[in-house]
Amino acid sequence: DADVTQTPRNRITKTGKRIMLECSQTKGHDRMYWYRQDPGLGLRLIYYSFDVKDINKGEISDGYSVSRQAQAKFSLSLESAIPNQTALYFCATSGPGGEQYFGPGTRLTVT
Amino acid sequence: AQSVTQPDIHITVSEGASLELRCNYSYGATPYLFWYVQSPGQGLQLLLKYFSGDTLVQGIKGFEAEFKRSQSSFNLRKPSVHWSDAAEYFCAVIAGGTSYGKLTFGQGTILTVHP
Repeated sequence: DADVTQTPRNRITKTGKRIMLECSQTKGHDRMYWYRQDPGLGLRLIYYSFDVKDINKGEISDGYSVSRQAQAKFSLSLESAIPNQTALYFCATSGPGGEQYFGPGTRLTVT
Repeated sequence: AQSVTQPDIHITVSEGASLELRCNYSYGATPYLFWYVQSPGQGLQLLLKYFSGDTLVQGIKGFEAEFKRSQSSFNLRKPSVHWSDAAEYFCAVIAGGTSYGKLTFGQGTILTVHP
């Protein structure tokens, strides 16, 4: 089984809808991250959490919120989706060594 | 704040040829450096990392990278490319201090391999 899972893998939604992307990890790590990937821009950090009680904004947090339900679960929400949030979203987790392990990604399309 | 630049957006090589992907970083102290690979439709897989010590690091799939402090570079190399190496490659850096644990990615380099 994969160490980091994301659901759904693909989602099409309409402008203004609320949507939640979920992430679970089985590596036992405290640190979890949400990124979005856009062509030519690499991956950009949306939110990160270093433990269950710690939530921090990344470089592009506007329009997004997160919830850390447990050590293994970290969800990303778009309160009111807009077309420029169409992207590939990745969840990741890391241990004290710093290297990050990524989920397979969620392809989100906002029409 | 730290930053990473991958000057080449797209590189094309023939199968069996050597490969070098460039990465330059901006950070005042010694960073933690990584190379990741993303195959089409897949997540990111760690190829190799540099934290300290020997500046030439070996990774998976026959890749290696060399940390050059004087040039602020961490270029990825492979002596003989295989068709299965076609993918997008990302260089990334973690700075120390309060930023510890947050990766900053380069823009990525797409590798095409011709038979």
